[in-house]
Amino acid sequence: QITLKESGPTLMKPTQTLTLTCTFSGFSLSTSGVGVGWIRQPPGKALEWVALIYANDDKRYSPSLKTRLTITKDTSKNQVVLTMTNVDPVDTATYFCAHRPCTSISCYSFTTWGQGTMVTVSS
Amino acid sequence: QSALTQPRSVSGSPGQSVAISCTGTSSDVGGYNYVSWYQQYPGKAPKLMIFDVSKRPSGVPDRFSGSKSGNTASLTISGLQAEDEADYYCCSYAGSYTYDVFGTGTRLTVL
Repeated sequence: QITLKESGPTLMKPTQTLTLTCTFSGFSLSTSGVGVGWIRQPPGKALEWVALIYANDDKRYSPSLKTRLTITKDTSKNQVVLTMTNVDPVDTATYFCAHRPCTSISCYSFTTWGQGTMVTVSS
Repeated sequence: QSALTQPRSVSGSPGQSVAISCTGTSSDVGGYNYVSWYQQYPGKAPKLMIFDVSKRPSGVPDRFSGSKSGNTASLTISGLQAEDEADYYCCSYAGSYTYDVFGTGTRLTVL
């Protein structure tokens, strides 16, 4: 069974650096083609794709957030960490991490999601 | 990269069919057969319902189907049930730079 769980601060002040951790089980981020992504959702608004990291350490970022993001993985701990610098109230959202497998069937969807963690940015 | 365009809301009665559209461009929906659809209940995580335009993950009822024509993808739900009332989001691969783009989301109401 694949599970993912997000963790991190619930309240941030503007200009601070946000660090979110996704701890997963049931798959390995050492397996070729596997990825873990971050997606966020402001209150009452749509999902927004944020970042993705693959087993081969290939990293992809949303063009609109790229300059502020860093995504890393710790394969031994089964964790993916997302860092966002200079947070602003518009970054207030629920942040989800999700599993992106790559099989003979597909490589382009998030098949299992974490429950999400709400981050509020306010002075 | 702009979000894919979905209708804000759709509705239908139990047993009926509804379709939710997802309009993008030739750089995303029209350029790749990698459109996925997610169902989300309030306060819950999204659930994958359709991937690669029309494929269903194991466990998803065959009442859910997907298709694509040009720059527009569609999710059709037949035999509507009360439990289908949720928000639905499309998502398309958009190339190696933009990568993925989500839709604006559609609230499905079962009357």
